[in-house]
Amino acid sequence: SQTIHQWPATLVQPVGSPLSLECTVEGTSNPNLYWYRQAAGRGLQLLFYSVGIGQISSEVPQNLSASRPQDRQFILSSKKLLLSDSGFYLCAWRGLAGQRGEQFFGPGTRLTVL
Amino acid sequence: DQQVKQNSPSLSVQEGRISILNCDYTNSMFDYFLWYKKYPAEGPTFLISISSIKDKNEDGRFTVFLNKSAKHLSLHIVPSQPGDSAVYFCAASNTGNQFYFGTGTSLTVIP
Repeated sequence: SQTIHQWPATLVQPVGSPLSLECTVEGTSNPNLYWYRQAAGRGLQLLFYSVGIGQISSEVPQNLSASRPQDRQFILSSKKLLLSDSGFYLCAWRGLAGQRGEQFFGPGTRLTVL
Repeated sequence: DQQVKQNSPSLSVQEGRISILNCDYTNSMFDYFLWYKKYPAEGPTFLISISSIKDKNEDGRFTVFLNKSAKHLSLHIVPSQPGDSAVYFCAASNTGNQFYFGTGTSLTVIP
């Protein structure tokens, strides 16, 4: 069966510090991968998605970036965090042919920028 | 610009009664719609979906209705149970790669 891992679960970082959140998927090949953010009192905002290694689409211009160095690894990064980057970050994957189309989400990372 | 909207941030329903959660969208190119359930500090879990070629899909206590002309979908939960208390998100897709989520509705089922 497929599983998705995210770490760390919680993170407190000072403004201006770098960020690296990692997401890995097991049990599937060539998944579509996604990064979302849920800010306090807000919905899920799509940040990045990837259909393959090295292929990243950005939905919202900001100081975050994403990379997909391996088929089942998706990394969210920032060189300098802002206060507004605080939120709950979710990684998700979606299968391709034969799937119903739903996404499967990881447990999330709670990021607090102080 | 929010392409998927859930205008009710919260809803309270008595146990055993029907819960109706609503969702509106603006992009007529959306052809696949989903509902997710989310508990605090966890990732959303998939509940039910519907393709734009249908107007109703049922799965146990959960039924999703789609009204394409009104660009509106709803999730019905019958009967509602206390364990259904969570935040519900609707989502829409037009390419199969990008999914757009609403802001969520917090459902409380009162025992």
